[in-house]
Amino acid sequence: RKEVEQDPGPFNVPEGATVAFNCTYSNSASQSFFWYRQDCRKEPKLLMSVYSSGNEDGRFTAQLNRASQYISLLIRDSKLSDSATYLCVVNGSSSASKIIFGSGTRLSIRP
Amino acid sequence: SAVISQKPSRDICQRGTSLTIQCQVDSQVTMMFWYRQQPGQSLTLIATANQGSEATYESGFVIDKFPISRPNLTFSTLTVSNMSPEDSSIYLCSVEGSGWDTEAFFGQGTRLTVV
Repeated sequence: RKEVEQDPGPFNVPEGATVAFNCTYSNSASQSFFWYRQDCRKEPKLLMSVYSSGNEDGRFTAQLNRASQYISLLIRDSKLSDSATYLCVVNGSSSASKIIFGSGTRLSIRP
Repeated sequence: SAVISQKPSRDICQRGTSLTIQCQVDSQVTMMFWYRQQPGQSLTLIATANQGSEATYESGFVIDKFPISRPNLTFSTLTVSNMSPEDSSIYLCSVEGSGWDTEAFFGQGTRLTVV
């Protein structure tokens, strides 16, 4: 089993729609969780951290479910500019590899 | 936060040659990380570069193929040696922030094509 698993997509949704991604992680001792966004031919950049209480940033809401070991990202009122790959990131268990990336979920917003 | 300058941004190399990628960070960091991202894939950690000691390589990656230097706390290089077309990929360096909320910061990436 992969340490961090995501649905690769692609998700193809119309502009204005609400879309949600889930990500599961295997290490119950993980402490830090993030969603990163990666545009085509660019480096990943932090979208938002995920806290136990959940957090919201504008149209984006992230949730953490420790019992079921998954995190989610909800995008409301999606824009064309939201088209990207969204990477689920979890801190790992080995001292040499603290951060583990999911394979990413591709999102494409159509007009 | 950290700002990382990575170069070259892209290169096309001949089979059998080597390419050295450089990353310069605007602050001192203990560990720097080197990742590979093959087309359509996520990031795979190659190695962790510690200043003053040998790099720690992940399974499937060896020092002879990917030698790493870490001469000080703000700089690191990754060399891709004896390249083959299978090495065509994006290579990224990364550092982590301090504290429990360990956000990762990335260089701009090096897009390598081996012909």
